[in-house]
Amino acid sequence: QVQLQQSGPGLVKPSQTLSLTCAISGDSVSSNSAAWSWIRQSPSRGLEWLGRTYYRSQWYNDYAVSLKSRITINPDTSKNQFSLQLDSVTPDDTALYYCARQREGSFDYWGQGTLVTVSS
Amino acid sequence: EIVLTQSPDFQSVTPKEKVTITCRASQSIGSSLHWYQQKPDQSPKLLIKYASQSFSGVPSRFSGSGSGTDFTLTINSLEAEDAAMYYCHQSSSLPFTFGPGTKVDIK
Repeated sequence: QVQLQQSGPGLVKPSQTLSLTCAISGDSVSSNSAAWSWIRQSPSRGLEWLGRTYYRSQWYNDYAVSLKSRITINPDTSKNQFSLQLDSVTPDDTALYYCARQREGSFDYWGQGTLVTVSS
Repeated sequence: EIVLTQSPDFQSVTPKEKVTITCRASQSIGSSLHWYQQKPDQSPKLLIKYASQSFSGVPSRFSGSGSGTDFTLTINSLEAEDAAMYYCHQSSSLPFTFGPGTKVDIK
């Protein structure tokens, strides 16, 4: 059974960096048949896909165009996890953040969610 | 970016009734359409992948159909535990996008 366990702070100051980690059990971040995404949810934006990392003989990343200058998603093979970094946050980045596994197109397993509030 | 629209926004239904939710894509996405259920304070859960394939462990009363731009999620014989938000999602092209959701309430 795949499980995704999220960790990271729930409060970030404006202009600082949001950092979250998703620890994987029951699968490998280096899997050749899965991709690992971050998705956020807010009342104003609904569910918004932020980006993903995946391994197909080498590492690849895809990011939402609107965030491309501020977002980094990295795998950590030693800990079997992946991370999200979002730079220069504003109150508009306040949301519930999820990590998720993507296989065969769909997001079949999700983390528990982390509410991140951007406020001074 | 592919935009997904859902209808209705809200549906109030009596137990054992049939529920139909539609999702329309702004351009053809083949069968790359997936459905999720989200209950309050829970993460979304995958119900249907690739328009009509049931995900493991999902009750048989949930089914999906459609291709191209028009898709349908059907809940046959609604149960009280099915009260939730339902979202569609397309994986045809980046960026992946979600519909705005349909809230199903039990009368």
